Amino acid sequence: EAGVTQFPSHSVIEKGQTVTLRCDPISGHDNLYWYRRVMGKEIKFLLHFVKESKQDESGMPNNRFLAERTGGTYSTLKVQPAELEDSGVYFCASSQRKYEQYFGPGTRLTVT
Amino acid sequence: AQKVTQAQTEISVVEKEDVTLDCVYETRDTTYYLFWYKQPPSGELVFLIRRNSFDEQNEISGRYSWNFQKSTSSFNFTITASQVVDSAVYFCALSVPASGGSYIPTFGRGTSLIVHP
Repeated sequence: EAGVTQFPSHSVIEKGQTVTLRCDPISGHDNLYWYRRVMGKEIKFLLHFVKESKQDESGMPNNRFLAERTGGTYSTLKVQPAELEDSGVYFCASSQRKYEQYFGPGTRLTVT
Repeated sequence: AQKVTQAQTEISVVEKEDVTLDCVYETRDTTYYLFWYKQPPSGELVFLIRRNSFDEQNEISGRYSWNFQKSTSSFNFTITASQVVDSAVYFCALSVPASGGSYIPTFGRGTSLIVHP
């Protein structure tokens, strides 16, 4: 069974540009989560999808971040326009049971 | 609010040494889950263990063992006879039931373990 995959693995963009991160969950997992880790700090929750619906988006930092999960399969997280403080590693996780999450390899975003 | 503290930012040991990674948590919920994840240099978060708040039994899995003590709100992780492949960042996390029944983990800042040959 394939695990959670994320694309790209690394993205370097300039301040003000747009970047879209993609997450493909484990097949059949209704729950999909986005997290972010800024260098040296905690991994912080961004939002949670149940199928295509946003269950909890309390962790989204501001309206420059837009997450979608059309059709309840893969999800995208768009940052527009990117700021320097958006740099970090963005993790995606999926689960079928609510308390057990499987994480992807992360996307390292660098905003210069 | 939940909080997880991993006081050790970085630990450096020589191969075959035993090492304990500390984790202290705070929550007012009586039902919760505790986790440890490993993040090797390749970047992914690898699930190691999950414990629920009603099961204080310690667990051993090969060279790994976990000591859960509710009295001190700690969930420490010990690696016996460490190996170079154990070098990674280790995260402790705490999940409590949130609105809608989901469990969103609160992570510690991670402990970077470096095992020297």
